[in-house]
Amino acid sequence: EDQVTQSPEALRLQEGESSSLNCSYTVSGLRGLFWYRQDPGKGPEFLFTLYSAGEEKEKERLKATLTKKESFLHITAPKPEDSATYLCAVVSGGGADGLTFGKGTHLIIQP
Amino acid sequence: NAGVTQTPKFQVLKTGQSMTLQCAQDMNHEYMSWYRQDPGMGLRLIHYSVGAGITDQGEVPNGYNVSRSTTEDFPLRLLSAAPSQTSVYFCASSYSRPGTGGNTIYFGEGSWLTVV
Repeated sequence: EDQVTQSPEALRLQEGESSSLNCSYTVSGLRGLFWYRQDPGKGPEFLFTLYSAGEEKEKERLKATLTKKESFLHITAPKPEDSATYLCAVVSGGGADGLTFGKGTHLIIQP
Repeated sequence: NAGVTQTPKFQVLKTGQSMTLQCAQDMNHEYMSWYRQDPGMGLRLIHYSVGAGITDQGEVPNGYNVSRSTTEDFPLRLLSAAPSQTSVYFCASSYSRPGTGGNTIYFGEGSWLTVV
């Protein structure tokens, strides 16, 4: 059974204070690891897909990295508009053809 | 969110009633799926479809039915609503199965369902 664990559950940062969110996973044959952003009352918004260990992707102040056991979402010099819940999900070669999600990290950036 | 439309946005049901949550996408995506999101839990897969006429069960399928008669639509039916089905429901679609290269999965805005 695929498992995804995100940490921390919640994180409060000052504007400009860089940090990282962690997503550790246990799967049978990773086919993809996804990062989404979710704002209150909205659906998840796609950020990145990573497919293999060593892969990195960047978008504005966000950078996602992947190892064989975990992924990190690095946030550099965050702004208040980066406040959201960040979701990690995996797809594996076993089980149903869908995403297995972690519980998310609730990020608050204070001005 | 591009092209995935869910209706209704909010619904209150009485225990035992049935209803259908609608999901439509205009991106000609083959893959569609339904998730539910509950406080303190990650999104969980209910049912999915890899193309018209093909559906399969996810992690939490009990109490729900789906069908896929067209590429565009993937309705989720609650047969006899129970309070445990109070949740936020999200429909998602993508060009092909998740994990196939370069494939972005788009989510709808959600449907808030309360069963009393």
